[in-house]
Formats: sequence, structure tokens, C-alpha cells
Amino acid sequence: DVKVTQSSRYLVKRTGEKVFLECVQDMDHENMFWYRQDPGLGLRLIYFSYDVKMKEKGDIPEGYSVSREKKERFSLILESASTNQTSMYLCASSLAGYNQPQHFGDGTRLSIL
Amino acid sequence: KNEVEQSPQNLTAQEGEFITINCSYSVGISALHWLQQHPGGGIVSLFMLSSGKKKHGRLIATINIQEKHSSLHITASHPRDSAVYICAAKIQGAQKLVFGQGTRLTINP
Repeated sequence: DVKVTQSSRYLVKRTGEKVFLECVQDMDHENMFWYRQDPGLGLRLIYFSYDVKMKEKGDIPEGYSVSREKKERFSLILESASTNQTSMYLCASSLAGYNQPQHFGDGTRLSIL
Repeated sequence: KNEVEQSPQNLTAQEGEFITINCSYSVGISALHWLQQHPGGGIVSLFMLSSGKKKHGRLIATINIQEKHSSLHITASHPRDSAVYICAAKIQGAQKLVFGQGTRLTINP
């Protein structure tokens, strides 16, 4: 079974801090995704990566950056955290190619105080 | 208007009832996913379908490409089916998914 592991289930940070959310997958998937999930808005794509060192902006990239130095690891970075970035963050991965299912991690509930 | 719309947003039913959750989309898709999210956050993929019907245990998913509509059915519902069910459309020619807002299902014993 595919395992997508997010480093923290719950995280509390302060406004202005630099925050790193880590995601690791163990199935050699080419694609990796970062989403945030907010009540009433559903899941929205922040960034995705289709290969090492490659990234593309999703629908809401403002205030975030990403890093993919190794195939199995995809990091989401909040350069200067703000209260409106309090949310549930979900990582997913998939094989490249047509119609491959995405496999999700358990999510990180991030609170910015 | 969202590209993917789900209905109802909330659904409460008694154990044993037949459940239907609907998903309509307005974009060209290559596949449609049904996902399940339990309290606590983790998301599990239930189905991915691009035509017809798929069945897994008590869950059935159907899609009508011409009408741009998909349904998720649960037969003989059980309290452990209580979760948020999310449909997500795989946009044609793209890697991204577009998500519906989810349907919160509560099955009472």
C-alpha cells in the first residue's frame, strides 16, 4: 500500500514565523501535491510537483513556496506565517500518466496565532 | 459557480437507509474521483471512474458523461459510514483535480 506521511498532525506557530510542512511518500511517485482545506471552500491546490526540482503553482500559491530536492519528499513553506493561513493542509502523491489516483496523507492541522 | 458541485451538503439518515450523494461538473474531465474523509482528516480514495459504474462492497459509483453527473450510493448504511464524501474531477489534459465542497453524511443507529 502507498504510504504518504505528513510530519505533524497538529502544529501551532506564531505570526511571522517561517513554517515548514513535510511530506514523504514511499512509492516512487512522480507527482506530489499540497492542498489546503477550509470549511465551505473544500480542497484547493496550492502547488504541485511532477519531478524533482520541478514545481507548478496551483490555484492559491500566494504566501507559500515549495521544495522538492528528492523524489520522495515535498515540502511546503510558509515564508512568514499569517493568521489567514490557519487551515488543514493535505499532501498527496500519484504516479505520472493518465488518470492515476492520488493518495493522501492524514493532514496537518496548522494554527497560526 | 463552482466547476464541481455536490448535493446535498449535509445528509442525516438512519442506519440501513439507502444513501445517494450527487456530483455535477461543468468542465471537461478525464475521470471523476470519489473520496472519503473521516473525522481527523485522512482522505481515502473510494473510486476513480471515467464511464459506467463501479461497485465495492456496499458502495456504488456511477457516472453519466453526457449529463456531466456522477452519483455515489451506499446500500444498507451503517454508522461507520459517517464521514465527509468528496467528489473530485480530473481536468482533461491536466494533472490537477477540482474538488466539490463535500457532503457530510451522518448515519444514526
